[in-house]
Amino acid sequence: DGGITQSPKYLFRKEGQNVTLSCEQNLNHDAMYWYRQDPGQGLRLIYYSQIVNDFQKGDIAEGYSVSREKKESFPLTVTSAQKNPTAFYLCASSPEQASNQPQHFGDGTRLSIL
Amino acid sequence: AQKVTQAQTEISVVEKEDVTLDCVYETRDTTYYLFWYKQPPSGELVFLIRRNSFDEQNEISGRYSWNFQKSTSSFNFTITASQVVDSAVYFCALSEGYSGYSTLTFGKGTMLLVSP
Repeated sequence: DGGITQSPKYLFRKEGQNVTLSCEQNLNHDAMYWYRQDPGQGLRLIYYSQIVNDFQKGDIAEGYSVSREKKESFPLTVTSAQKNPTAFYLCASSPEQASNQPQHFGDGTRLSIL
Repeated sequence: AQKVTQAQTEISVVEKEDVTLDCVYETRDTTYYLFWYKQPPSGELVFLIRRNSFDEQNEISGRYSWNFQKSTSSFNFTITASQVVDSAVYFCALSEGYSGYSTLTFGKGTMLLVSP
């Protein structure tokens, strides 16, 4: 079945450590996105990518980095510069980054600080 | 700047009650798209509906219906005869179409609790 796979489901980070969240899609979608969700908050956009080897900062990019070397993969690194990383992270994709395209979401990764 | 407001943080109903989730949006564009997503306890967001700014017809899909009113900038979602499986967080989202490229702006969500 086509879909978006995020791993791991749960992740723990130590102080000063970088961690990478995986996102893989087999929907042949061009556009991919990373969101952060905090309790009682909506989703906030971290980074997005329209095509391979290109990505743009979203509303809260500080302390995060991404790469898009393959169409199906869009990993997110939470760096030590992100002082409050505890949150639920959701990856999404859409056929293209057009305003009328619904996004398809993965199951999310819950990141906590040790 | 685009903005989505879901004023209801949490709604509790008993099974078989009807419930309406409110969504108010702000945009300067004449072309835009509105979405509703459902987030069950498993965490994944599930796409429910998309509506463009030029189509004000209400839509019904089974027990779900949507009321889009441009005059009040609202896109409300009604669940008829609610069921326990409807318990989830529901998000309204807006995408502006002025540039061809756009990103989604989400409301903060409404948590719906349906008890037996």
